[in-house]
Amino acid sequence: DQQVKQNSPSLSVQEGRISILNCDYTNSMFDYFLWYKKYPAEGPTFLISISSIKDKNEDGRFTVFLNKSAKHLSLHIVPSQPGDSAVYFCAARIQGAQKLVFGQGTRLTINP
Amino acid sequence: ETGVTQTPRHLVMGMTNKKSLKCEQHLGHNAMYWYKQSAKKPLELMFVYSLEERVENNSVPSRFSPECPNSSHLFLHLHTLQPEDSALYLCASSQVLGGVQPQHFGDGTRLSIL
Repeated sequence: DQQVKQNSPSLSVQEGRISILNCDYTNSMFDYFLWYKKYPAEGPTFLISISSIKDKNEDGRFTVFLNKSAKHLSLHIVPSQPGDSAVYFCAARIQGAQKLVFGQGTRLTINP
Repeated sequence: ETGVTQTPRHLVMGMTNKKSLKCEQHLGHNAMYWYKQSAKKPLELMFVYSLEERVENNSVPSRFSPECPNSSHLFLHLHTLQPEDSALYLCASSQVLGGVQPQHFGDGTRLSIL
């Protein structure tokens, strides 16, 4: 049973527009959420995070929104740039636990 | 060097071989992790170490044997692997176990079992 789901395997967005990546989760014990970005032949790199006590966190072009009632997380990138083309992973941490649970990833392609 | 370094980057081995994957972190972190990423699947946590002590083994078959001689180094010893073990193996570290600081990943070892 997958606790963190990214239902869109891929997303294509025009340069300059907004990219919205979505993530749904099932476990109400998750208390911390993270987004990672992965380029081919490289490991995932941390992008942005949000605590479950917040509903929004912003860092430059990246904003993460958390809707706890819907158990839904989204990452907004605006404006999108070609260098944003990568696979994006959503991850969640169970309160007090040692590990992160990852989604399957969404491949974002930014078209010029 | 900075960050998390994994060697080798690619490994091809037969099912009867024994090999080891190496991970080294230069971040002064106390926790280290092994993950497996198979095609079109989420990252799966395999092992967790905190201050050189294994704190989690996620039902991983015994043909995978981790070793953490110190807080900067982590190994994954491989023996008698199966074709379904072909995957990307990622090492990660974090400042402490269970904290809110993010995990830092290496670039992985792409393992192919013949």
